Amino acid sequence: DAKTTQPNSMESNEEEPVHLPCNHSTISGTDYIHWYRQLPSQGPEYVIHGLTSNVNNRMASLAIAEDRKSSTLILHRATLRDAAVYYCIPLRDTGKLIFGQGTTLQVKP
Amino acid sequence: NAGVTQTPKFQVLKTGQSMTLQCAQDMNHEYMSWYRQDPGMGLRLIHYSVGAGITDQGEVPNGYNVSRSTTEDFPLRLLSAAPSQTSVYFCASRRGLAGGSSYEQYFGPGTRLTVT
Repeated sequence: DAKTTQPNSMESNEEEPVHLPCNHSTISGTDYIHWYRQLPSQGPEYVIHGLTSNVNNRMASLAIAEDRKSSTLILHRATLRDAAVYYCIPLRDTGKLIFGQGTTLQVKP
Repeated sequence: NAGVTQTPKFQVLKTGQSMTLQCAQDMNHEYMSWYRQDPGMGLRLIHYSVGAGITDQGEVPNGYNVSRSTTEDFPLRLLSAAPSQTSVYFCASRRGLAGGSSYEQYFGPGTRLTVT
């Protein structure tokens, strides 16, 4: 499974954009890049995923580098509810979602 | 849809006791898995199943058994509880085997287990 590197923590102000980076230099060509987040005292929840092209959904955008060795999760306007641990996970067809330590995002009012 | 449900929400066991954590999903998902999350740590995969009758080990399988007799249910059995198994346990499910990496996983609310 591909290894990932994420900052341990990041801070943002409310209503400002947040860019959460992830390095996955050993990713294989068919691994999808998934992002999940875990709010305090809850189970993880799916945020977004992509393969090669940038992706947008109602929660966030995912920018994937051309060489696929890194990606960035973009929250366009952070809210207090976005304070969570964010996990970047390259996923193979085996489907085994292997979590790293993730990035703890703090959002300041 | 209820999604992924887990019971119980909380459980306290004495060392050496056994118990089963229940997990069910009503989305007809083929893939199901169990994770544990120790305080302040990330999630670790215990066991997973790609369909009824098929299970396999994850990162930390020791001390746990699973079976998958139906698509809907994936119980996790603790054979002889130890204090090191104190953790929050999450069940998850996902549709699809082929192309499975393109599908999102749904997680249950968790079972908080304390072993004294």
